[in-house]
Amino acid sequence: NAGVTQTPKFQVLKTGQSMTLQCAQDMNHEYMSWYRQDPGMGLRLIHYSVGAGITDQGEVPNGYNVSRSTTEDFPLRLLSAAPSQTSVYFCASRAPGQGARGYGYTFGSGTRLTVV
Amino acid sequence: KQEVTQIPAALSVPEGENLVLNCSFTDSAIYNLQWFRQDPGKGLTSLLLIQSSQREQTSGRLNASLDKSSGRSTLYIAASQPGDSATYLCAPGVTGGFKTIFGAGTRLFVKA
Repeated sequence: NAGVTQTPKFQVLKTGQSMTLQCAQDMNHEYMSWYRQDPGMGLRLIHYSVGAGITDQGEVPNGYNVSRSTTEDFPLRLLSAAPSQTSVYFCASRAPGQGARGYGYTFGSGTRLTVV
Repeated sequence: KQEVTQIPAALSVPEGENLVLNCSFTDSAIYNLQWFRQDPGKGLTSLLLIQSSQREQTSGRLNASLDKSSGRSTLYIAASQPGDSATYLCAPGVTGGFKTIFGAGTRLFVKA
């Protein structure tokens, strides 16, 4: 089924460890984004990309890196995990708009990350 | 910066009731608005996408309206069912921008 695939679904890290959350989509969407969701804070944008080779920061980028070498993949790297990064992470993608018409987002099922 | 507010934050209704969820946004320069459903521990599922040129969009028992000039959207759920229990989020897409801001959501509980 076409969609956004995130791996892993669950992860426990120790403080200071690094890891990469994977996100892949097979819909040829140019736009991809990473959000984190915390209780009482809603969804907050970490980084986004408007195409291969182009990335930019969102609201809460500190402690995270991204790259976009292909249209399909948009990995999120935690450089040195901290307990404050305990959260649920969602990847989303959408096609670019055509004129005045915009397309909606498709979300992955999320990665639940715990940093101890 | 776009700010999105969803009212009420939580709602509990008996089965069969019709209900309205509200979404307001501060930047009316949007090209569309998307409503999502999120079940506990799950991802976001798109329910309705309404373009800025549209006033309404319908899918089954769901109807979304958009008043761009006043910065408001409503999600109407007819004849609610226990299976409708979930958190509902709205996301206005700002024209020329890529930093889509989501509302905090309305947590709905439908009692059998």
